[in-house]
Amino acid sequence: AQRVTQPEKLLSVFKGAPVELKCNYSYSGSPELFWYVQYSRQRLQLLLRHISRESIKGFTADLNKGETSFHLKKPFAQEEDSAMYYCALSTGTASKLTFGTGTRLQVTL
Amino acid sequence: EPEVTQTPSHQVTQMGQEVILRCVPISNHLYFYWYRQILGQKVEFLVSFYNNEISEKSEIFDDQFSVERPDGSNFTLKIRSTKLEDSAMYFCASSDGGRLGTASGTVEADTQYFGPGTRLTVL
Repeated sequence: AQRVTQPEKLLSVFKGAPVELKCNYSYSGSPELFWYVQYSRQRLQLLLRHISRESIKGFTADLNKGETSFHLKKPFAQEEDSAMYYCALSTGTASKLTFGTGTRLQVTL
Repeated sequence: EPEVTQTPSHQVTQMGQEVILRCVPISNHLYFYWYRQILGQKVEFLVSFYNNEISEKSEIFDDQFSVERPDGSNFTLKIRSTKLEDSAMYFCASSDGGRLGTASGTVEADTQYFGPGTRLTVL
């Protein structure tokens, strides 16, 4: 069975500091990895998916199959980045998402 | 931009009562899902639905749960006899299954879009 691990419950950084939210996964096949973000009192929103290799709101994430990781990074944190971030794994088209426990990012002045 | 909607936003019920949570997926999506999140815990998959039948369900989705697509727009989750431990945030999601590009052979990932959730409180 697949599993997603986000080791940090809370990550607190200063505005302008680099951010790295960790995500590790276990799955024997080729997974699809996603980052979802949940701002205060809002719905889960897709932030990034590994297959698109895109940068959204300055965030990037690279799938490292050797380390089974999909860490989320941003060089300079902004106050508006404060939110709950969830890493999720899918085993293919129309498959369920397996979520990590989430990391709360707190950006302070 | 189209969004998944859910009603009600908050439902309070007595233990043993039946509840129906409603979702309107994005109109051209074909795959539908329910997840739940107990306070302080991770988001957990309950069930997926395609072509008017359940595609996959988790261990949580026992005989007390059922899903239905009663018409062309709604997707419902019914809990027949609620228990205290059913108290959670329930999220509906939908997806279009992704796309396989033609000339380039690229794949657009199947992305699930979530509703705002229904908070279910069982007393």
